[in-house]
Amino acid sequence: GQQLNQSPQSMFIQEGEDVSMNCTSSSIFNTWLWYKQDPGEGPVLLIALYKAGELTSNGRLTAQFGITRKDSFLNISASIPSDVGIYFCAGQSFAPDSWGKLQFGAGTQVVVTP
Amino acid sequence: IAGITQAPTSQILAAGRRMTLRCTQDMRHNAMYWYRQDLGLGLRLIHYSNTAGTTGKGEVPDGYSVSRANTDDFPLTLASAVPSQTSVYFCASSKGRLDIQYFGAGTRLSVL
Repeated sequence: GQQLNQSPQSMFIQEGEDVSMNCTSSSIFNTWLWYKQDPGEGPVLLIALYKAGELTSNGRLTAQFGITRKDSFLNISASIPSDVGIYFCAGQSFAPDSWGKLQFGAGTQVVVTP
Repeated sequence: IAGITQAPTSQILAAGRRMTLRCTQDMRHNAMYWYRQDLGLGLRLIHYSNTAGTTGKGEVPDGYSVSRANTDDFPLTLASAVPSQTSVYFCASSKGRLDIQYFGAGTRLSVL
């Protein structure tokens, strides 16, 4: 099956610093998604990417869909304490045998210190 | 407020017992999903349903069953719980199977 690798596993950063994380896959995806999970909550969608090469921003968040369709990155600029949480990438394939299944990365734990 | 409701929020269960996790959505989404989340493994799909009356197996379906009698409800049943089913379970829904998935707050299950 598809393998989706997310890195780094965790990040400890100071408030105001930028954060960068990425995901790579052994197979191509049609859609890349980035979710954030706060403690005790379910994942919440941050950004959705639909085209290879697409660069999309949502406030301080910027994400890109890699040209090869096998990778994506998420940047958070000028981090603030509420950025703490686990960030997940997810890829979605439209191939008939994948039935739109989301493949999730293992997550990046972000800790922001004042 | 529209969304996905999961119940219970947490449960401690003796091994061998039967347990049903409930999931209800009021967004009239056609597709629904059950995932389990384990440390270091992200979320893995257990079962899914593209529309009421149909279900399918995900990545880790063994030991779990689902039903989709109507659009709103998608219960997940553990017929005979085992400790390896200790996990956080998330229900999700999407308008169609290729659309964005929205998640519930999760059920934390411990099987002892």
